[in-house]
Amino acid sequence: QQQVKQSPQSLIVQKGGISIINCAYENTAFDYFPWYQQFPGKGPALLIAIRPDVSEKKEGRFTISFNKSAKQFSLHIMDSQPGDSATYFCAARVPDSGYSTLTFGKGTMLLVSP
Amino acid sequence: DVKVTQSSRYLVKRTGEKVFLECVQDMDHENMFWYRQDPGLGLRLIYFSYDVKMKEKGDIPEGYSVSREKKERFSLILESASTNQTSMYLCASSRPGQGAPYNSPLHFGNGTRLTVT
Repeated sequence: QQQVKQSPQSLIVQKGGISIINCAYENTAFDYFPWYQQFPGKGPALLIAIRPDVSEKKEGRFTISFNKSAKQFSLHIMDSQPGDSATYFCAARVPDSGYSTLTFGKGTMLLVSP
Repeated sequence: DVKVTQSSRYLVKRTGEKVFLECVQDMDHENMFWYRQDPGLGLRLIYFSYDVKMKEKGDIPEGYSVSREKKERFSLILESASTNQTSMYLCASSRPGQGAPYNSPLHFGNGTRLTVT
């Protein structure tokens, strides 16, 4: 049972464009929604995260939009750069786990063309 | 800066072998995790540990076991490796979630790519 559904599986964006990756979830008890960025040959690293009591969070060119009623959240990368080419994972924290256990989406491979 | 070190970058093992994947973290984190990463399947949690000698099953524990004898070290064990365990294995650590701020992120190692032939 996939608890977090991520789309698209892959994405090609031109330099300077906007990259958008979407995630949807069913469990309304999830209480924390991070995005992780993974470059080839490296482990994933936390990029940005949001709590469900906030509708948007922005850090530089990266923005999370959160729609609680639709149970969806998305990552927007403004002015996309070739250095943003990576695999992106959305995730949700398992509620009441006490152990920061995350369930991840299947990932989106982003390629920003020069 | 948190460092999670996985002992091997690449491993090639034969079917039926017992395989040990080692992970060490240097930030005194209580929580440690093992994930496997497969194309199109994302990151799936195998086992995690929230304290020395403690372990909890994740989503796909079958065919695996773990050991945590010291706080900084978490080992993943494949008792009898099979070809369907060929994958990228990622270790991670974090501070405790309970009572901790939301931003207690997972810190990942760079992975061990295991091939079972």
